[in-house]
Amino acid sequence: GQQLNQSPQSMFIQEGEDVSMNCTSSSIFNTWLWYKQDPGEGPVLLIALYKAGELTSNGRLTAQFGITRKDSFLNISASIPSDVGIYFCAGQSPYGGATNKLIFGTGTLLAVQP
Amino acid sequence: DTEVTQTPKHLVMGMTNKKSLKCEQHMGHRAMYWYKQKAKKPPELMFVYSYEKLSINESVPSRFSPECPNSSLLNLHLHALQPEDSALYLCASSPLSRSPEETQYFGPGTRLLVL
Repeated sequence: GQQLNQSPQSMFIQEGEDVSMNCTSSSIFNTWLWYKQDPGEGPVLLIALYKAGELTSNGRLTAQFGITRKDSFLNISASIPSDVGIYFCAGQSPYGGATNKLIFGTGTLLAVQP
Repeated sequence: DTEVTQTPKHLVMGMTNKKSLKCEQHMGHRAMYWYKQKAKKPPELMFVYSYEKLSINESVPSRFSPECPNSSLLNLHLHALQPEDSALYLCASSPLSRSPEETQYFGPGTRLLVL
């Protein structure tokens, strides 16, 4: 199926460092979502972005909805060991009627060394 | 409360078995989804139910049979699966609010192993 381009594919950083990852698409989306997934668990919603240009924070996380509606980035400041996991972006657009379909990015694996 | 629950957490089944996965949400959401996820890959959409009716089937093989008994429950019936069907099966739900602020919430998943 269709996937979004997400980079980097993986990151290995030291505790306390800042992290930045992004997603790009050839299609326009109405909504951008960022999820974190721990091994063997379901994705947990971190941040939802609904307007082009919107910048939203959730604790140490900051995400932006690109002005062209074709990209988004996620920043994590002062990383800690529990930030370890796979981060997925997802673009959302109407699929007909009211149902919205998510198109996921390829994921960014984050490893944080204490 | 943004909780979606799934049972069982783990399931091992033979290729001739029949089993079911269950999903439940009590957020009043009117859309429910089944996804399949292989290791280190993003979730892949399988089915979508809107107002208890099947609205999307992403060309899933008939050995997977979804069922939505009511607005809070979603089942996935499994029969004659293949080893390559082993994966994490995720359920999600969303409000169907017909507004831009429509967000899917995922359950913890069922880890399925087909022998």
